[in-house]
Amino acid sequence: NAGVTQTPKFRVLKTGQSMTLLCAQDMNHEYMYWYRQDPGMGLRLIHYSVGEGTTAKGEVPDGYNVSRLKKQNFLLGLESAAPSQTSVYFCASSYGRENNEQYFGPGTRLTVT
Amino acid sequence: GENVEQHPSTLSVQEGDSAVIKCTYSDSASNYFPWYKQELGKRPQLIIDIRSNVGEKKDQRIAVTLNKTAKHFSLHITETQPEDSAVYFCAAPLYGGATNKLIFGTGTLLAVQP
Repeated sequence: NAGVTQTPKFRVLKTGQSMTLLCAQDMNHEYMYWYRQDPGMGLRLIHYSVGEGTTAKGEVPDGYNVSRLKKQNFLLGLESAAPSQTSVYFCASSYGRENNEQYFGPGTRLTVT
Repeated sequence: GENVEQHPSTLSVQEGDSAVIKCTYSDSASNYFPWYKQELGKRPQLIIDIRSNVGEKKDQRIAVTLNKTAKHFSLHITETQPEDSAVYFCAAPLYGGATNKLIFGTGTLLAVQP
């Protein structure tokens, strides 16, 4: 049981490049989330999904897109990376809507130059 | 929407002392308040949570208290140990009510000096 996994662990992009971050969970969780973590700003919700085929915007969705084609996977895309998107990205999942525990992945450190 | 403020941003204590971290929230409909611990370079992990129908919850050396009237909740760590050194985040439901989306505080860096 791997829990929540993220790939890649590290990535360096040039401004304007695109990339996709993959999150996978093997706990059969319905809800999945993408956060970014910046120094002094805590964890901010980018997008989330309440089930396969559904996505919704969080606090800071601009510049990102997501897809949830399979229940176990949640993809975060950057179409045209900007230096302001340099951050640590965490994926999380939870069982359902009853305010259950969120389980986090190990994070992806992204640098945009 | 919900707004969560967390204080202090840094806290240094001597081993064996107690540590208290406080958070305030804005949405009176919020009903779930978790605390996450993040060790350096690691992922956040839930350490304790409280729902709005109780005022206090304990788990060994950690406890959380909730004051719904004042809209604040606090994390209490007693008999601190060096392994308690980490960043602690409080959170509250985004948009209040029955939701599993969370808004996090900005974190408290706790340093326990041996």
